[in-house]
Amino acid sequence: NAGVMQNPRHLVRRRGQEARLRCSPMKGHSHVYWYRQLPEEGLKFMVYLQKENIIDESGMPKERFSAEFPKEGPSILRIQQVVRGDSAAYFCASSPYVGERRGYTFGSGTRLTVV
Amino acid sequence: EDKVVQSPLSLVVHEGDTVTLNCSYEVTNFRSLLWYKQEKKAPTFLFMLTSSGIEKKSGRLSSILDKKELFSILNITATQTGDSAVYLCAVDQNRDDKIIFGKGTRLHILP
Repeated sequence: NAGVMQNPRHLVRRRGQEARLRCSPMKGHSHVYWYRQLPEEGLKFMVYLQKENIIDESGMPKERFSAEFPKEGPSILRIQQVVRGDSAAYFCASSPYVGERRGYTFGSGTRLTVV
Repeated sequence: EDKVVQSPLSLVVHEGDTVTLNCSYEVTNFRSLLWYKQEKKAPTFLFMLTSSGIEKKSGRLSSILDKKELFSILNITATQTGDSAVYLCAVDQNRDDKIIFGKGTRLHILP
């Protein structure tokens, strides 16, 4: 049981580049959640996805950010034209079904630094 | 606006001390309150509390929920340096699928 796998662990991008963050949920988990953690801040919800569907994207910035969870492969969080304010740790969590909070498992995160 | 507020934001104690971390919340459609421990990487699950007055215990850690006063505490007795971490409180709602997190309490245990 490999747990929730996120890669890369660290990502450095220049302003204006694109950042692609990947998350492979735990085996058997079909629900994926993305959170962002700014320095000295708590985790802020961004988006909740099931396979091929975005269920709740109320926490996603309106521009430059997008997420997908295709039928095959990992979930991807994409940030276009990154700015310094996008620097943060991005965590993915997965669960086997809605409401199973005990099984809500986090990945180790991707630390994005925009220079 | 739904919110979860933790206090203190940071705490430094000596090994062997007992600490109490606080979490208050104002959310609609409360379902459960969760505590996580975050060291350098992923938050790890500690407790899920759904009923008032029932203490959950795991080794030196314990937690209790008061749904009338809308708060929870996390106690750690006989602290060890390995307890140094950020402790996150979060609330789960019936209506939505997202969990609302507090900013965390950064706990540092001095040897």
